[in-house]
Amino acid sequence: GQNIDQPTEMTATEGAIVQINCTYQTSGFNGLFWYQQHAGEAPTFLSYNVLDGLEEKGRFSSFLSRSKGYSYLLLKELQMKDSASYLCARLDSNYQLIWGAGTKLIIKP
Amino acid sequence: IAGITQAPTSQILAAGRRMTLRCTQDMRHNAMYWYRQDLGLGLRLIHYSNTAGTTGKGEVPDGYSVSRANTDDFPLTLASAVPSQTSVYFCASSDRPGDYDEQFFGPGTRLTVL
Repeated sequence: GQNIDQPTEMTATEGAIVQINCTYQTSGFNGLFWYQQHAGEAPTFLSYNVLDGLEEKGRFSSFLSRSKGYSYLLLKELQMKDSASYLCARLDSNYQLIWGAGTKLIIKP
Repeated sequence: IAGITQAPTSQILAAGRRMTLRCTQDMRHNAMYWYRQDLGLGLRLIHYSNTAGTTGKGEVPDGYSVSRANTDDFPLTLASAVPSQTSVYFCASSDRPGDYDEQFFGPGTRLTVL
């Protein structure tokens, strides 16, 4: 994606916590989205951040630092069904989403 | 119908042929989008429509055209398919473009151009 960086792949253990980082170009920034995409399926919305700080939603939390161009998605109490790709997307100055390539998360028992 | 439907689910197409991918939503959303997803790359916007009757070009519009005659339908046409258009195509919709606006995705069309 355009100036959005996230790790290609991560591995974690069932029941553990994992943090997926995303860095992005700060110019023309209007918000940061996280989506989940299971293999062979469509992306589904997880979270949206436009202000600095942490947004918690059940086992998933998302953090944003606008000045640093940095976000992370935190997944707690990992379950096997959390094995998926996690897509970071920045809302640009034209209010279009610019997507990262995604982080494939592998959960091991 | 609930949400967004796309047709066909998959297609193998000879290079040079014309192809239309169909997308229909029943949520009465104002905005609709076409993306392509390729391995190792993020979703890339092809075309979008903020409201019925209007369309705009995204990041990778060349070789594709769209129309938005009504709220529900947003077909994507490949006038003369080339192998580089082999990809998974996702249609999406959202209610309020230009604001915090969750996009809802269809199941995708897997297109192979030979």
